[in-house]
Amino acid sequence: LAKTTQPISMDSYEGQEVNITCSHNNIATNDYITWYQQFPSQGPRFIIQGYKTKVTNEVASLFIPADRKSSTLSLPRVSLSDTAVYYCLVGEASGTYKYIFGTGTRLKVLA
Amino acid sequence: KAGVTQTPRYLIKTRGQQVTLSCSPISGHRSVSWYQQTPGQGLQFLFEYFSETQRNKGNFPGRFSGRQFSNSRSEMNVSTLELGDSALYLCASSAAPSDEQFFGPGTRLTVL
Repeated sequence: LAKTTQPISMDSYEGQEVNITCSHNNIATNDYITWYQQFPSQGPRFIIQGYKTKVTNEVASLFIPADRKSSTLSLPRVSLSDTAVYYCLVGEASGTYKYIFGTGTRLKVLA
Repeated sequence: KAGVTQTPRYLIKTRGQQVTLSCSPISGHRSVSWYQQTPGQGLQFLFEYFSETQRNKGNFPGRFSGRQFSNSRSEMNVSTLELGDSALYLCASSAAPSDEQFFGPGTRLTVL
């Protein structure tokens, strides 16, 4: 299972775009990249998953360069309610990636 | 469709006791995973069950065990509780191991 490295914390202001980068130098050919969001006293919630290039859904975009050694979660125009911990997971599509969550990135959105 | 439910939501035990936590997955989901979350260690994987079989196990002592029933409901048991077992225990379900996980609200266990 590929190990991931994320910043411990980030601050942003409402209305700004936030980019959280995750490093995964040892990513394997069959590995996918998945991001989760967690609010205090709640379980994590799936945000987005991708394999290469760019993936976009209604809440976020995921940018993956050609070498796949890193990925960037992009949250457009954040609001106070986006204050949460964001986890980057990397692993096989069989689901083994979910075994390693790590400590995540604590995003604080300021008014 | 109802989400993942966990019972009880809060629990207080003393050292040496044992505890059983319950998780009811989303209807139709056959995969259930358990996690322990603490401020110091973050979110750590405990074990995963699929169709009543343990599919994988995290790096936890044998005091932590689990099982899954034919209706996909799952229980985890912690015996001989230690102070360090105080944590939020989360359960997640998915249709299959490779599918998106949906987490429950968790059970907050306090060991005194």
